[in-house]
Amino acid sequence: EPEVTQTPSHQVTQMGQEVILRCVPISNHLYFYWYRQILGQKVEFLVSFYNNEISEKSEIFDDQFSVERPDGSNFTLKIRSTKLEDSAMYFCASSGGRGNTEAFFGQGTRLTVV
Amino acid sequence: DQQVKQNSPSLSVQEGRISILNCDYTNSMFDYFLWYKKYPAEGPTFLISISSIKDKNEDGRFTVFLNKSAKHLSLHIVPSQPGDSAVYFCAAVSYNTDKLIFGTGTRLQVFP
Repeated sequence: EPEVTQTPSHQVTQMGQEVILRCVPISNHLYFYWYRQILGQKVEFLVSFYNNEISEKSEIFDDQFSVERPDGSNFTLKIRSTKLEDSAMYFCASSGGRGNTEAFFGQGTRLTVV
Repeated sequence: DQQVKQNSPSLSVQEGRISILNCDYTNSMFDYFLWYKKYPAEGPTFLISISSIKDKNEDGRFTVFLNKSAKHLSLHIVPSQPGDSAVYFCAAVSYNTDKLIFGTGTRLQVFP
């Protein structure tokens, strides 16, 4: 069964450092997403990406965040200068369509900023 | 801004019985609803969905009911099994957006 894969599973970084979280979406999917879940809180939307550009982003997704699809398979989330409050589980997801099409999630990357 | 609410943080059910997980929403623009199951250290796994033009959708042991006038949906699991023990998230999406709005989740424990 096709699945979304994320690397690394756990990343520890110092405050102020840049991190790149990587995702390989399901191959025939067209829509890609990043969500995050701070410990004890709900899953929150960050950004959606379609046709090589951001289609929607939340207020959380400020200038320190960026996404890229550098080749035909990877989808990355970059955090330029990490803050303590960026510590969370980051989930990549992909879907074959928008909105009313089920999104499939990866297993997540636990980011710990120290 | 809690557009999607799951008011029960936890639910404990005996194996073989029905589990009912509830979800309320406030945004009348939502037109598609999904349930996800999540185990620790894993991503959410899609379970079942329902469009706003329907009031019921069934898939095996899982049935989702939608009451649009009450802005309420529920997930029924019959019969419940110990492997169903997980956190269940309700999510909603509007026709004009890409983003899923998640509830806070309900931790279901199914005991023998």
